[in-house]
Amino acid sequence: DTGVSQDPRHKITKRGQNVTFRCDPISEHNRLYWYRQTLGQGPEFLTYFQNEAQLEKSRLLSDRFSAERPKGSFSTLEIQRTEQGDSAMYLCASSFLAGYNEQFFGPGTRLTVL
Amino acid sequence: DAKTTQPTSMDCAEGRAANLPCNHSTISGNEYVYWYRQIHSQGPQYIIHGLKNNETNEMASLIITEDRKSSTLILPHATLRDTAVYYCIVAYNTDKLIFGTGTRLQVFP
Repeated sequence: DTGVSQDPRHKITKRGQNVTFRCDPISEHNRLYWYRQTLGQGPEFLTYFQNEAQLEKSRLLSDRFSAERPKGSFSTLEIQRTEQGDSAMYLCASSFLAGYNEQFFGPGTRLTVL
Repeated sequence: DAKTTQPTSMDCAEGRAANLPCNHSTISGNEYVYWYRQIHSQGPQYIIHGLKNNETNEMASLIITEDRKSSTLILPHATLRDTAVYYCIVAYNTDKLIFGTGTRLQVFP
């Protein structure tokens, strides 16, 4: 399968713990996006990268959140000191080149904070 | 980016055309209309996009009114697998897609 992959698919953690998610985009896609989706809502933009450069971050991305794409390939999203409000589906997407091209989404990582 | 308004839910009989409307009365001249859908427990899937002209691909057709203040996504022969939430998004480009709550389409046998 050459689509966008995310790992893990499900994560249950206790409040206050740190978690890290991984996203592997489609090969040669230089744009990578992170979204968060809560129940009954559409995905909310968090941040995006072009190659290894993080070009924009939403104000939803508090100081506890950090995203990296160190070699311009896979990306990680880390949440420190998780809170119950962080419970959501975290979606990753990638696209080729910039601007007008469709984003291909992965299956998401569902985070539950107890 | 302009805001969109979509009905919360719609039903469609299998085999019939599903017509999903979207209002975007504040759209700017160089903003595109994008449609994505999200089948339960999956990531969103791109369907189609357009600027001014009507567009068609293997999945759907997009009809944009002449004043560009509204559009309709048409699934010509809906199947049960088309049951999903459909999002209409207006944006200059895909740098930052702003999803609303979409239209929940239920296709019934």
